[in-house]
Order: sequence, then C-alpha cells, then structure tokens
Amino acid sequence: AQSVTQPDIHITVSEGASLELRCNYSYGATPYLFWYVQSPGQGLQLLLKYFSGDTLVQGIKGFEAEFKRSQSSFNLRKPSVHWSDAAEYFCAVGAVGTGFQKLVFGTGTRLLVSP
Amino acid sequence: DAGVIQSPRHEVTEMGQEVTLRCKPISGHDYLFWYRQTMMRGLELLIYFNNNVPIDDSGMPEDRFSAKMPNASFSTLKIQPSEPRDSAVYFCASKTDGSSYEQYFGPGTRLTVT
Repeated sequence: AQSVTQPDIHITVSEGASLELRCNYSYGATPYLFWYVQSPGQGLQLLLKYFSGDTLVQGIKGFEAEFKRSQSSFNLRKPSVHWSDAAEYFCAVGAVGTGFQKLVFGTGTRLLVSP
Repeated sequence: DAGVIQSPRHEVTEMGQEVTLRCKPISGHDYLFWYRQTMMRGLELLIYFNNNVPIDDSGMPEDRFSAKMPNASFSTLKIQPSEPRDSAVYFCASKTDGSSYEQYFGPGTRLTVT
C-alpha cells in the first residue's frame, strides 16, 4: 500500500525566514502528489499539486514544492514565512488502484512562526 | 460557490446517543468523502461515494458507523450508539470526476461524546 511520511511533527520558524517541510512517499511510478494546509478550526485547503511535467510547482500563498523522483520526495518550501502561515500542513498521494481518486495523507507537520 | 457545507459545526452528546452528521457537497461534484481526524490517528478516510454509490467503506471503524448519500447534494454519517472514543473532527470533502483529483474540504464537525 502507498504511504506518505512527514518526518517532522513540529517545526518552528522565525517570521521572515525560509521554510522547508519534508514529505516522502512510497510508490513506484509517477505519483499524484498534493500539499494541503489546515488553519486552526478550519478544513483543509489545497496549496499545490503535482501530476507530471515540470518538477517544481508553484502554489498559492507563495508556496512551491519540488518533486524529486530519485529521493521519493515532494518537499514544500517558502522563501519568507509570515505569521499567518502558522498552521498544520499535510502531504498526500493519490492512491493507485482507485484511479487516484482516493488520497493517502501523511500525519502532518505543525508549523509555528516566532516573531 | 458556497463550498462544501457541513452541519452541525459542533456536536456534544452523551454516550449511547445517536449522532447524525450532514454534508452538502459542491454542486456538480461526483465524489464525496468522509474523513475523521484525531490527535492519535491523524486524518483517516472512512468512506467515499461516486455518483451516490459507496465505493470503499473499508475505513468505517465498526457497525456503529453508517453513511448514506440519498442524492447528489446530500450525505449523512450516522453513529449509533456513540462512544467517547468517537470524539473527533469529522470532515466531508468532494471532488469532480475526471483528472482533477483535488478534493475540496468542508469546515468539519467537532464531535464530543461524554
């Protein structure tokens, strides 16, 4: 079965500093990959997605992610973090065998932004 | 577009009572998903529907849980009888058919069973 690993449970970043959140997946072929953000008390919102093509994808709110097949990774980055970015971030992969309609989520990384 | 609508937003009930959570997907979406989120287990898919038909209910924890989708604009998740370990945030999500694969999430229902 496919799986997604987010090795960092919590990350604290100073406002204005750069951010990288790690995500590793298990799947032999080209996966369908997603990053979602969940603000406190809210549902999940899609930040960006990768299906094929350019391995560097741009998303909303200034986020980007890079797909690296050799490392089975899809790390999320932002050059300068704002206090409003404090939230929980989930990486997900489309599940093969369901036509990728079903998503498998990682356990999430909680981002704290310090002043 | 109103987005995915869930009701109620908060529910507090006593153990043994029946609980019904409701979801209205985005108009035109063919898929509907029910998730449960807890600190211990993270985000779990409970069941999903395609064109109102349940496709995969392997995530439904036990027979106390049931889900229905009587039409394209409404779904329910019922727990009967409820137990304290069912306390969680329950999310509904919907998506279109085809190659988009993006799921749109509702705001969730926070369930507390005392």
